[in-house]
Amino acid sequence: EDKVVQSPLSLVVHEGDTVTLNCSYEVTNFRSLLWYKQEKKAPTFLFMLTSSGIEKKSGRLSSILDKKELSSILNITATQTGDSAIYLCASTGANSKLTFGKGITLSVRP
Amino acid sequence: NAGVTQTPKFRVLKTGQSMTLLCAQDMNHEYMYWYRQDPGMGLRLIHYSVGEGTTAKGEVPDGYNVSRLKKQNFLLGLESAAPSQTSVYFCASTSWDTRTDTQYFGPGTRLTVL
Repeated sequence: EDKVVQSPLSLVVHEGDTVTLNCSYEVTNFRSLLWYKQEKKAPTFLFMLTSSGIEKKSGRLSSILDKKELSSILNITATQTGDSAIYLCASTGANSKLTFGKGITLSVRP
Repeated sequence: NAGVTQTPKFRVLKTGQSMTLLCAQDMNHEYMYWYRQDPGMGLRLIHYSVGEGTTAKGEVPDGYNVSRLKKQNFLLGLESAAPSQTSVYFCASTSWDTRTDTQYFGPGTRLTVL
């Protein structure tokens, strides 16, 4: 059975801090690793990492895929209160079926 | 281009009642998915479809049925609702052709079963 595990489950930081969110996966026929941000609505796509694209960056957010360790990290630098959200990691296996982790709740205090 | 839409946005049912949730996408995507999200549980796949006329079970299919009669629509049915089905339901779609794997989510349906 495919499995995705995220850690920590929750995190509280102050504005300006740098945070690292972790994700590990065990997926048959692995194709990609995705990160989503979820505020009080539907998840919105952040990054997709594959064998041909193991590092992505967008502004203060960046993500790396470690295929050897079957894991990924999402880094957020200079955090802002608007970064407060649930961050979901998911891995794609057969039939483009995503397996999600339970999510990491990030709270950024002013 | 509306993306992925879901109806209704909110619904309250009594135990034993039935209902159908509708998901529609206008991106010509082959793959469509139904998830439920409960506090601390992440997103769990209920059923999915890899094309018109095909459906398959996900992680938590019991108590739900689905149909994909048209490529753009994916229906999720609850024949006899139970309080354990109180949840937020998300529909998502993705394109097989581009192999992007990025799933686009609808806005969600909040269902309460009393």
